[in-house]
Amino acid sequence: GAGVSQSPSNKVTEKGKDVELRCDPISGHTALYWYRQRLGQGLEFLIYFQGNSAPDKSGLPSDRFSAERTGESVSTLTIQRTQQEDSAVYLCASSFWLQSSGNTIYFGEGSWLTVV
Amino acid sequence: GENVEQHPSTLSVQEGDSAVIKCTYSDSASNYFPWYKQELGKRPQLIIDIRSNVGEKKDQRIAVTLNKTAKHFSLHITETQPEDSAVYFCAASRRDSSASKIIFGSGTRLSIRP
Repeated sequence: GAGVSQSPSNKVTEKGKDVELRCDPISGHTALYWYRQRLGQGLEFLIYFQGNSAPDKSGLPSDRFSAERTGESVSTLTIQRTQQEDSAVYLCASSFWLQSSGNTIYFGEGSWLTVV
Repeated sequence: GENVEQHPSTLSVQEGDSAVIKCTYSDSASNYFPWYKQELGKRPQLIIDIRSNVGEKKDQRIAVTLNKTAKHFSLHITETQPEDSAVYFCAASRRDSSASKIIFGSGTRLSIRP
């Protein structure tokens, strides 16, 4: 596709429910990142997928958070038993590493999650 | 692990003046340093980047400088305008490794006073 696509763009859920957020990276991009951004805050790294390597899950804040990616395509971020503090924008980004250009990453529009 | 520190966290400058944002990185193998601008309610977007084989790069009113020895790099915006108001993020990664994860700084909220 033309850019990184995320869905849903907005999600309101009740505390305790599970949510799934989807990211469709730019075609051919081997690397995929998930970030969380609370209102007025910075980019909080969650997880990083690179090709067929084991994902870097070092940023996941608790075992309620998990993410999957099939090959070099779509990724899903799942938050179980949502809490109010999970309310944030969840940003997905992808990149295609080239030695000549580095690994510039491109962000999606984000999924705005509100837990009530 | 790798770390990127960014200062200041907030910056307010008079329209027309210059703004400077500074970052330091910990991984001496880092050789690619992009800067992203995030306007209110929007996604971060790349505005300029620099590779370690150069010390400075300019694009109109924006310039980035790199000091590899000190592991510092900076963003300079001259003749600031209201549309420059945004959050700016620096980042570092290794251009020679496909497995290298990009590391972001904590962001600088830049406000331009009319």
